[in-house]
Amino acid sequence: EADIYQTPRYLVIGTGKKITLECSQTMGHDKMYWYQQDPGMELHLIHYSYGVNSTEKGDLSSESTVSRIRTEHFPLTLESARPSHTSQYLCASSLRSGVLDTQYFGPGTRLTVL
Amino acid sequence: EDQVTQSPEALRLQEGESSSLNCSYTVSGLRGLFWYRQDPGKGPEFLFTLYSAGEEKEKERLKATLTKKESFLHITAPKPEDSATYLCAVQEVPDKIIFGKGTRLHILP
Repeated sequence: EADIYQTPRYLVIGTGKKITLECSQTMGHDKMYWYQQDPGMELHLIHYSYGVNSTEKGDLSSESTVSRIRTEHFPLTLESARPSHTSQYLCASSLRSGVLDTQYFGPGTRLTVL
Repeated sequence: EDQVTQSPEALRLQEGESSSLNCSYTVSGLRGLFWYRQDPGKGPEFLFTLYSAGEEKEKERLKATLTKKESFLHITAPKPEDSATYLCAVQEVPDKIIFGKGTRLHILP
C-alpha cells in the first residue's frame, strides 16, 4: 500500500480565498505530481517536480503554484480561488523502475469553491 | 496528437460474466503502459505495468495484455467488489504520462 497522504480530504470555500492543499509521501520518491480530475474525465497534469527545488508546469493551464522544499512534501497553493477551480485534486509520487515511472496516488482532495 | 482511448466508457456485467476492457493508444514512442483501478472518491490504485508487446500480467481475476497499439484488461468471473473505474495510462518518450478517461465497470450480483 502506497504511503502518500493528502489533506484536507474535502474543502468548501468562498471565492477569492487563498488555499493550500497538502501532500506528503513517506516512500522517499523523488518525482511528485499534481493532477486535476473532473467526474468521468481523464487526469490532467497541472504541476510536477523532479526533486527538491524543482517545479515544472504540466499540460493544464493552472493558476496554482507549488513548492518542493523537502523531498516528502509537495503543497499546491491557489492564491485566489474561483468556482472554476472546483474539482478533485490528486497528488502522486513515482518510483523509477527501468524506464518507467510507476505512480502512486493519494486519496485526493475534493475542492468546492462557492 | 498523442492520445489514449479507452472503451467502452461503461460496462455492466452479471457476476461471473467475463469480459475485456480496451485501451488503444497513439504515441510517438512508447516506454510502457499502466493500468489503475479507481474507486469513487478515491485516488487511483496501481494494478499493472506492461513494458513491451506480448507481455502479460495477472492479479487475481485480472489479466492485462499489451500489443503494439493497444492493451486489454481481461476480467474473469468478476465479483461485485470488482466494480470500479479502470484507468489506462501510457508513458511515452521521453517521460510524459497520458491517461485515458477510464471504463466504469459495474458488476451486478
